[in-house]
Amino acid sequence: GENVEQHPSTLSVQEGDSAVIKCTYSDSASNYFPWYKQELGKRPQLIIDIRSNVGEKKDQRIAVTLNKTAKHFSLHITETQPEDSAVYFCAAPDSNYQLIWGAGTKLIIKP
Amino acid sequence: DGGITQSPKYLFRKEGQNVTLSCEQNLNHDAMYWYRQDPGQGLRLIYYSQIVNDFQKGDIAEGYSVSREKKESFPLTVTSAQKNPTAFYLCASTMGDRGLNQPQHFGDGTRLSIL
Repeated sequence: GENVEQHPSTLSVQEGDSAVIKCTYSDSASNYFPWYKQELGKRPQLIIDIRSNVGEKKDQRIAVTLNKTAKHFSLHITETQPEDSAVYFCAAPDSNYQLIWGAGTKLIIKP
Repeated sequence: DGGITQSPKYLFRKEGQNVTLSCEQNLNHDAMYWYRQDPGQGLRLIYYSQIVNDFQKGDIAEGYSVSREKKESFPLTVTSAQKNPTAFYLCASTMGDRGLNQPQHFGDGTRLSIL
């Protein structure tokens, strides 16, 4: 079955710097890779997703890259701001189309 | 998303008691999901339903039960058999086009604790 690993578990960056979070997956048939942001005590919210027919997708300060050969995808946040502080989760579908989630990355933006 | 409503926001369970968490959606989504989230961890799938009157077990279904009598509603019962129920429970829904993998939309969650 699908296995998703996410690194690092905690990431601390200076405000204005870039942050990169990486996920690896095991099922080569996986074709959809979302990233969610969860603020403390709140619901996860989709921030960006990518399908396997493209290698990169960008939305303002957020981008996701996908390397199907290496089976990994990464979230890139540029010009980080205090409101970017949250826990970020990646996910990938298993053979039943159910999402398997990474363990999460706590992003801390230092002023 | 305003389209998925979970209630209550906080719930306390006594020893030997069954409790039911409500999840209602008005997004006309076919598929609905229940996840459990423990502190500092990711989401683990309890049950999911792709269509009315049908549901499947996720990775951690033991001690839980669900029903899907209406498209809009997917209640989760935490039974007394679930010995460690303290967690944050999240309900989600998606359009259910399995081959296309649509984004999941989440409710605000229910925080369950043991008295």
